[in-house]
Amino acid sequence: QQKVQQSPESLIVPEGGMASLNCTFSDRNSQYFWWYRQHSGEGPKALMSIFSNGDKKEGRFTAHLNKASLYVSLHIKDSQPSDSALYFCAVSPLPGTGSNRLTFGKGTKFSLIP
Amino acid sequence: GALVYQYPRRTICKSGTSMRMECQAVGFQATSVAWYRQSPQKTFELIALSTVNSAIKYEQNFTQEKFPISHPNLSFSSMTVLNAYLEDRGLYLCGGRANSDYTFGSGTRLLVI
Repeated sequence: QQKVQQSPESLIVPEGGMASLNCTFSDRNSQYFWWYRQHSGEGPKALMSIFSNGDKKEGRFTAHLNKASLYVSLHIKDSQPSDSALYFCAVSPLPGTGSNRLTFGKGTKFSLIP
Repeated sequence: GALVYQYPRRTICKSGTSMRMECQAVGFQATSVAWYRQSPQKTFELIALSTVNSAIKYEQNFTQEKFPISHPNLSFSSMTVLNAYLEDRGLYLCGGRANSDYTFGSGTRLLVI
């Protein structure tokens, strides 16, 4: 069964700083990877997805995927107060394997130093 | 854009009673709907996956008898929590999927007293 682990559990950075969130997964059939962000009182919203090995940049956010190492990460540049939230890594297997299951990690709580 | 609305946003029910929650997809056709429960510790548990033209698939520890789900069309799904007890409290999230992405609603928060 797929295991998705995230680190660190919590992360505090100064405004304008850089943050790195890490995620490892166990199923080598995993093909689709997402980072979801959840603000207090809301449901999780897809922040970005990555399907190919390497880096994918969207604005201040860069995702990195290394399937061979079973590793995906999210880097946040120039952190803003609106970035304070829970960040979840989510992993889905190959299509056609009979499952649309999305497995979530336990999340990283990201905050800015007030 | 794709949106998912869930209602009610918050509900309180007495221990042993039942509670129905609804999920509406707007702007896309949800060929798959996933129901999750997010615990007070923020962990996600998948309850069941419903895909068009397939039987609803329940995860271990969750049953149709306890969490009956309806997915009658590509824009609507509902789930009932039967005989709710303290351990059923949490945020129930509905996610609709058209292609590869799941779009989640804001959830229904269930409190049991």
